[in-house]
Amino acid sequence: GEDVEQSLFLSVREGDSSVINCTYTDSSSTYLYWYKQEPGAGLQLLTYIFSNMDMKQDQRLTVLLNKKDKHLSLRIADTQTGDSAIYFCAESMPYNTDKLIFGTGTRLQVFP
Amino acid sequence: NAGVTQTPKFRILKIGQSMTLQCTQDMNHNYMYWYRQDPGMGLKLIYYSVGAGITDKGEVPNGYNVSRSTTEDFPLRLELAAPSQTSVYFCASSIRDRGTEAFFGQGTRLTVV
Repeated sequence: GEDVEQSLFLSVREGDSSVINCTYTDSSSTYLYWYKQEPGAGLQLLTYIFSNMDMKQDQRLTVLLNKKDKHLSLRIADTQTGDSAIYFCAESMPYNTDKLIFGTGTRLQVFP
Repeated sequence: NAGVTQTPKFRILKIGQSMTLQCTQDMNHNYMYWYRQDPGMGLKLIYYSVGAGITDKGEVPNGYNVSRSTTEDFPLRLELAAPSQTSVYFCASSIRDRGTEAFFGQGTRLTVV
């Protein structure tokens, strides 16, 4: 079945690294995504990883994929107050690569 | 670039009333979607469309209808509003050949009382 799970909250100090975790159940996912939602706004794509990769780095963002454990993580280095938002992971299905299954979202709170 | 535009931003409906949530995109995307986001939950797909004239049900289609007469527009219709439809609704669009990098509108917050 299709199910994507995330912890609901994460609180970090400004300047520290944040790690947001996600587990998914469908091992045949093709793409895995991280979206960011700021208050009162829609979702914005941050980064994505193809399922045959195990790591992707993009400036302060590092995505790690462990296919064996069906675990995806997003690491934000040098977290800033502007990173406070809800972060959603999502997976797309091989039989319909245009349907996204979203996790419940992790609310990241960055304090000074 | 306007991207994906949704109207209205907020709406309060009484039980049994009807309304249409508007969504338009100017990126010439084939695929368009409607999601609802309930508190503490992820996004649930209501309906989606792979092109003008083609629509299909998502995970939670009951109580909603859609149409796609043009590439740009994908309105969502609520015929008989119920309190369970109180939610934030997001419209999104994507280009198929780029996987599912979806571009989202700002959302419509709907309250049914």
